[in-house]
Amino acid sequence: DIVMTQSPDSLAVSLGERATINCKSSQSVLSSPNNKNYLAWYQQKPGQPPKLLIYWASTRESGVPERFSGSGSGTDFTLTISSLQAEDVAVYYCQQYYNSLRTFGQGTQVEIK
Amino acid sequence: EVQLVESGGGLIKPGGSLRLSCAASGFPFSKYWMSWVRQAPAKGLEWVGRIRSKSDGGTTEYAAPVRGRFTISRDDSENTLYLQMNSLKTEDTAIYYCTRIQYCSGCYAFDIWGQGTKVTVAS
Repeated sequence: DIVMTQSPDSLAVSLGERATINCKSSQSVLSSPNNKNYLAWYQQKPGQPPKLLIYWASTRESGVPERFSGSGSGTDFTLTISSLQAEDVAVYYCQQYYNSLRTFGQGTQVEIK
Repeated sequence: EVQLVESGGGLIKPGGSLRLSCAASGFPFSKYWMSWVRQAPAKGLEWVGRIRSKSDGGTTEYAAPVRGRFTISRDDSENTLYLQMNSLKTEDTAIYYCTRIQYCSGCYAFDIWGQGTKVTVAS
């Protein structure tokens, strides 16, 4: 299985400031045929199901605010919230879909400082 | 409106069986691969398994902790996904989410999620 490791486990950021979450995979999730990274990011607010934010490591899902961006390739990835809003308080998960056995990171809790 | 609605959760004793259902609406269910993801209390997300569309073979794959005990199936005529859970263990206690897998070449993220159904395995 591909192990996904996120850092940090939690972070507190002031409103309007940048939040950065890292995700590292135990092996590359870059697909050679199409040069796409098979990596997604999800947001889960308390009491709600997860919501897809980003796929292919950097493509925003329809309706996701532009302050959310994804970057990285191979084994190292980053989710950035450029200007944290109160409604962004949530747990964020990365997930690989390169391997047929899908795996998630352990999650990163984002809070307001 | 695109929607997934799970049902069938509840309290079950260890060793017992339970079948979860997921009713899909608002999209051509038969075209999509579907998946189950679970979340134990105060824990992260865990992929359970996946079923391909019948046009892609209708085959299934499972995570190691549930392989041989859980079975995913689908009824395209009823737009319903199922998860048959046998030989349940206390560690299967979780909220079970039904998810849709994106329908585009090379993209396999979970783009639609149900609200989840809670399964508690306890004596």
